[in-house]
Amino acid sequence: KAGVTQTPRYLIKTRGQQVTLSCSPISGHRSVSWYQQTPGQGLQFLFEYFSETQRNKGNFPGRFSGRQFSNSRSEMNVSTLELGDSALYLCASSFRGNLGEKLFFGSGTQLSVL
Amino acid sequence: GQSLEQPSEVTAVEGAIVQINCTYQTSGFYGLSWYQQHDGGAPTFLSYNALDGLEETGRFSSFLSRSDSYGYLLLQELQMKDSASYFCAVRARGGLTGGGNKLTFGTGTQLKVEL
Repeated sequence: KAGVTQTPRYLIKTRGQQVTLSCSPISGHRSVSWYQQTPGQGLQFLFEYFSETQRNKGNFPGRFSGRQFSNSRSEMNVSTLELGDSALYLCASSFRGNLGEKLFFGSGTQLSVL
Repeated sequence: GQSLEQPSEVTAVEGAIVQINCTYQTSGFYGLSWYQQHDGGAPTFLSYNALDGLEETGRFSSFLSRSDSYGYLLLQELQMKDSASYFCAVRARGGLTGGGNKLTFGTGTQLKVEL
């Protein structure tokens, strides 16, 4: 069974640009969540999608958005990039996102904003 | 909102036992999870406690006290490969529709295992 796949693995952008990150969950998993990881800040929750609907949202500005497709694949978009957006963006999937379900994480997309 | 506190760094020797504590403040608490992350790797699930008490899985055990808003991860017979960051995460009520739940992570504890 293939794991969670995130593309691209590395990305370099400049301030003001926008970026789209992709996540393919484990087959059969319908819940996809996104996290931003920076040194010393742990994993900050961005949002969670289930069956194409955003079910939860973290405390990030509106420049951060996402969506989920009918095949459960998800994308997140960051517009008008700022230097502070440089981080590792992790995607995680689970069957339904229910209590006690473990999350399976991808290896992440390392975004550098110059 | 939710907040979690865990030590930033712990050092122990190979073969020893180490305990990583986690205290949390949240409303609508459902359970506490632990994840391990090696440098450059993806976080991997270790355990989930919804009820008070100790859960054991091999060399790793996790404890929860809901009344104290406290939990810990216990690692026994430490091995060099256990050197990694360990995150506690709270599963709590929260969602755009008023239902659902979300997982909030602590800032992580970096465990260094020395010879």
